[in-house]
Amino acid sequence: KNQVEQSPQSLIILEGKNCTLQCNYTVSPFSNLRWYKQDTGRGPVSLTIMTFSENTKSNGRYTATLDADTKQSSLHITASQLSDSASYICVVSDRGSTLGRLYFGRGTQLTVWP
Amino acid sequence: EADIYQTPRYLVIGTGKKITLECSQTMGHDKMYWYQQDPGMELHLIHYSYGVNSTEKGDLSSESTVSRIRTEHFPLTLESARPSHTSQYLCASSESRGQGAKYEQFFGPGTRLTVL
Repeated sequence: KNQVEQSPQSLIILEGKNCTLQCNYTVSPFSNLRWYKQDTGRGPVSLTIMTFSENTKSNGRYTATLDADTKQSSLHITASQLSDSASYICVVSDRGSTLGRLYFGRGTQLTVWP
Repeated sequence: EADIYQTPRYLVIGTGKKITLECSQTMGHDKMYWYQQDPGMELHLIHYSYGVNSTEKGDLSSESTVSRIRTEHFPLTLESARPSHTSQYLCASSESRGQGAKYEQFFGPGTRLTVL
C-alpha cells in the first residue's frame, strides 16, 4: 500500500533555531517527492521537488534531502522565523499512471515562538 | 503566487441545502483536482479532470459532483449538504505533461465548509 508517514506530528522551536522534519514513504514506482508549506486556512505551496536522481535541493532557508534507497526524505529549516509557523507536508508522486497520483503525508505542524 | 482562485473562502450552511464551490485558474492548465482535508489529516483526492468534458472520481468516495465545461473552471456541487460534509475543500491544477512527468500542482486557498 502506498503511504507517506511524517514525523514529528508537531514541533515547537524558538525563533532563530534550526529544525529537521522527516518523511518516510512506500510509494512505488517512485516519480518525485515534494515538500509543501501550508499556512493555516490556505492551500499548500511547493517548497522543493526532487526526482530519483537528486539527493538534495535547497530553496532559501529550506533544504530537502532524499534517500531513494531507504525511501526517506528530510526537510531542514535554518534560522527559523515566525513566518515559518505552518504545516509542512511531504508529497510523493508515482509514475504508474498518467495522472501522476500524489500521496500526501499528514504534515508536521511547526510552531516558531519568539 | 499561483493564479488559482476559490470562492467562497468560508461557507456555513444548513443541512439539506444545495451548494456549489467555485474554482477557477488562469494558467491554462489541462488538469484540475478537488481535494478534501480534515484538520490534522492528509489531503484526499475526491475528483479530477484531464480537460474539458472529462471528470473522474478520486480515491475518496464523495457525494459531491463536478463539471468541466471550460478549461479554466471546475466547480464542485453538493446537492444536499450534510454535517458529514463539513471539511476544507482544496482545488488544484497542473499542466498535462504525460506519465511520470515532473509536473507541479498549484493549489487554491481552499473553501472551509461547515454544515449545521
